[in-house]
Amino acid sequence: DAKTTQPTSMDCAEGRAANLPCNHSTISGNEYVYWYRQIHSQGPQYIIHGLKNNETNEMASLIITEDRKSSTLILPHATLRDTAVYYCIVRVSPTQGGSEKLVFGKGTKLTVNP
Amino acid sequence: KAGVTQTPRYLIKTRGQQVTLSCSPISGHRSVSWYQQTPGQGLQFLFEYFSETQRNKGNFPGRFSGRQFSNSRSEMNVSTLELGDSALYLCASRKWDLAGGGYEQYFGPGTRLTVT
Repeated sequence: DAKTTQPTSMDCAEGRAANLPCNHSTISGNEYVYWYRQIHSQGPQYIIHGLKNNETNEMASLIITEDRKSSTLILPHATLRDTAVYYCIVRVSPTQGGSEKLVFGKGTKLTVNP
Repeated sequence: KAGVTQTPRYLIKTRGQQVTLSCSPISGHRSVSWYQQTPGQGLQFLFEYFSETQRNKGNFPGRFSGRQFSNSRSEMNVSTLELGDSALYLCASRKWDLAGGGYEQYFGPGTRLTVT
């Protein structure tokens, strides 16, 4: 799996958009970008994933550059509850019957300030 | 829809003992994975089960084992506990949809194991 690089920490003001970058310059054509987050003392929570097109769901938007070497997770209106460690993971989606193993890096510690 | 549940939530054991942790996946999810989280090593994959068979395994010693039952519930066992086994043990489930998709994993709250 391709390696990812994320900033160690970021701050964001409550109500503003939080833009979390991730570099994955060695990503292969069949690798997806996944984002998870972990709020203190809880299990990680799936946020969103994408291959090459931008994706949006009720939680966030994922913007992937045209060369797919980097991506940005956008939380459009950050709240205090969004304070968490955010993990960017690049992963080959398993084929039918394939196993799935998530490899977590250090992630970005996002702090949303009032 | 109920989420992934793990029991117990907290556990204190002494060195040399063994421990069994339990995980109930989301209804309809057929795959269960286990992860260990420590401050030093972060989140590390232990193993994944599907259809009562271990499908993938991380780099952990044989003291760590698991199993899955026909109702998809899973247990993991750690024998001969060491101080370094103190960690948050997380279980995650996913659909494992053979028609495609269902790759997202949903995590439980974890079991906090302390070995003294």
